Amino acid sequence: EVQLVESGGGLVQPGGSLRLSCAASGFTFSSYWMHWVRQAPGKGLVWVSRINSDGSSTSYADSVKGRFTISRDNAKNTLYLQMNSLRAEDTAVYYCAREGSVVAQPLDYWGQGTLVTVSS
Amino acid sequence: DIQMTQSPSSVSASVGDRVTITCRASQGISSWLAWYQQKPGKAPKLLIYAASSLQSGVPSRFSGSGSGTDFTLTISSLQPEDFATYYCQQANSFPPTFGQGTKLEIK
Repeated sequence: EVQLVESGGGLVQPGGSLRLSCAASGFTFSSYWMHWVRQAPGKGLVWVSRINSDGSSTSYADSVKGRFTISRDNAKNTLYLQMNSLRAEDTAVYYCAREGSVVAQPLDYWGQGTLVTVSS
Repeated sequence: DIQMTQSPSSVSASVGDRVTITCRASQGISSWLAWYQQKPGKAPKLLIYAASSLQSGVPSRFSGSGSGTDFTLTISSLQPEDFATYYCQQANSFPPTFGQGTKLEIK
């Protein structure tokens, strides 16, 4: 059974940093591209970042470019999101998601999410 | 970025009803469209990919259609567990973008 379990969320002050983790199991983690998607309270889904299967290629939304860094450790089956210079508008539930290997590359499995609150 | 616009933003329906949700892309995305269902406090769940392919384990009352810029998600006979928010998402062009969501409520 595919499982994605996020951790690392919490309350942080503006300008602070946080590192999210996503532990994967039930599939060959090193074969899949992975994504982070966030959802502000009461709002819709917003794509944040993605990383290819071996970690050599990354992409970011303009809103987080230069502040967030996605990475992965395939030996540990874990995806990360390092978030620096956090702003109030980064407050959201952060989901990790697997990009499916079928046509049109849907996000076929999602974690339960971890809440990040940026506030003084 | 490609803008995805869903309509309606909310809809009220009864168990057994047929419901259709529309998603329009600001430019052509071929069939690179997915539909997700999200219940309160839960992660999104993939329903449909490649515009019309049913994800494994998803009931056959869900169907998708369309290509280019106009897409639909249809639920043929609403069940109590289908009341949720639905999102479309395009993966044709970077960055991936989502519609604003359609909340399906019980009438």
